[in-house]
Amino acid sequence: GEDVEQSLFLSVREGDSSVINCTYTDSSSTYLYWYKQEPGAGLQLLTYIFSNMDMKQDQRLTVLLNKKDKHLSLRIADTQTGDSAIYFCAEIPVSSGSARQLTFGSGTQLTVLP
Amino acid sequence: DSGVTQTPKHLITATGQRVTLRCSPRSGDLSVYWYQQSLDQGLQFLIQYYNGEERAKGNILERFSAQQFPDLHSELNLSSLELGDSALYFCASSASTGEAFFGQGTRLTVV
Repeated sequence: GEDVEQSLFLSVREGDSSVINCTYTDSSSTYLYWYKQEPGAGLQLLTYIFSNMDMKQDQRLTVLLNKKDKHLSLRIADTQTGDSAIYFCAEIPVSSGSARQLTFGSGTQLTVLP
Repeated sequence: DSGVTQTPKHLITATGQRVTLRCSPRSGDLSVYWYQQSLDQGLQFLIQYYNGEERAKGNILERFSAQQFPDLHSELNLSSLELGDSALYFCASSASTGEAFFGQGTRLTVV
């Protein structure tokens, strides 16, 4: 398909792991990104992965990339209430050329329950 | 703090009016992007400038225009506003490494 796809909602208990999934469109996308948006706030770059990597770990965040299936996931370990936010997956498709603008998924609303 | 500054944070205006949104990119970043976030369309790329020149256009209406000035700040001009233009407008800047850093956004409400 032409859209970057994400599940709309995810609820987890505090202390559990969260896994947010994304299917992107362009197998040639060089970088794939995860952004976080808290209520009333802008988009915060959380992490990114280069397409020649399978996994990237950054403190509580683990990004997994399956290029064959064009599947990207973000795992948040020991999820806290402060992690409640909308998480966006984004890619820079080859079609963007030198402009390198981002194509975003619809966002996954993560709710962390106490 | 991303280092990208957008003003104003909130704007309420009437249909048919014209507004200007302002963005100051991170120090040293030459690229500025404008995105629109609405409930029905999600996050959509509008336009990109690089070092003062327009580089790419996305889903930007003809009623909208932008420019980037020699000091690299950018303005997005929205005219003949309609109710459907109500949205959050984000500016982002990026360095040569490619990561885009977003401002806090301007929430536009057209009444």
